[in-house]
Amino acid sequence: GESVGLHLPTLSVQEGDNSIINCAYSNSASDYFIWYKQESGKGPQFIIDIRSNMDKRQGQRVTVLLNKTVKHLSLQIAATQPGDSAVYFCAESYYNQGGKLIFGQGTELSVKP
Amino acid sequence: DAGVTQSPTHLIKTRGQHVTLRCSPISGHKSVSWYQQVLGQGPQFIFQYYEKEERGRGNFPDRFSARQFPNYSSELNVNALLLGDSALYLCASSLEVFSNQPQHFGDGTRLSIL
Repeated sequence: GESVGLHLPTLSVQEGDNSIINCAYSNSASDYFIWYKQESGKGPQFIIDIRSNMDKRQGQRVTVLLNKTVKHLSLQIAATQPGDSAVYFCAESYYNQGGKLIFGQGTELSVKP
Repeated sequence: DAGVTQSPTHLIKTRGQHVTLRCSPISGHKSVSWYQQVLGQGPQFIFQYYEKEERGRGNFPDRFSARQFPNYSSELNVNALLLGDSALYLCASSLEVFSNQPQHFGDGTRLSIL
């Protein structure tokens, strides 16, 4: 069925450490993946995306890795800061579904000072 | 540049009433999508509109409807409200309707049904 799941519902890290948030997706036809950050009382904020023809993409302090063999996605945040505390969602879509995004449950990241 | 704007930010209704939620996309974006987010879960897709036409519909009852206007803004209508309709309703916009383009979200309308 259609689902995107996260391995860990909560993640607690020390300020300055690196964070890794994982995501499993079920549809092998998915060709586009996005990571969103959602702070309390706000809508999801776009972080980074990756297309299925790529294995890795880097942004500012963030890296997304895609392993199509095992249908796994991860978000790495370098030097995690208190402002990174939020719920992180991965989402997938595929071409014949237009722009419909399928979201997972989310992982809450808590950064300890 | 302004992001996606939604109104109202909060709304309280009673069972059986109807509600209209509004969304203005980012300037230049032609596609608008609506999502429902229940507390503790990820957003669930409701509709996508592009050039005033419905391009996708999620697994929601016919009580939910939407439309897109010539200026690309959009309305989501929900009739015969149920307690289970209480949720955050999110609007997202993107340049076109195809996948492989990021959707950018507004901060949503928090709908509470009493």
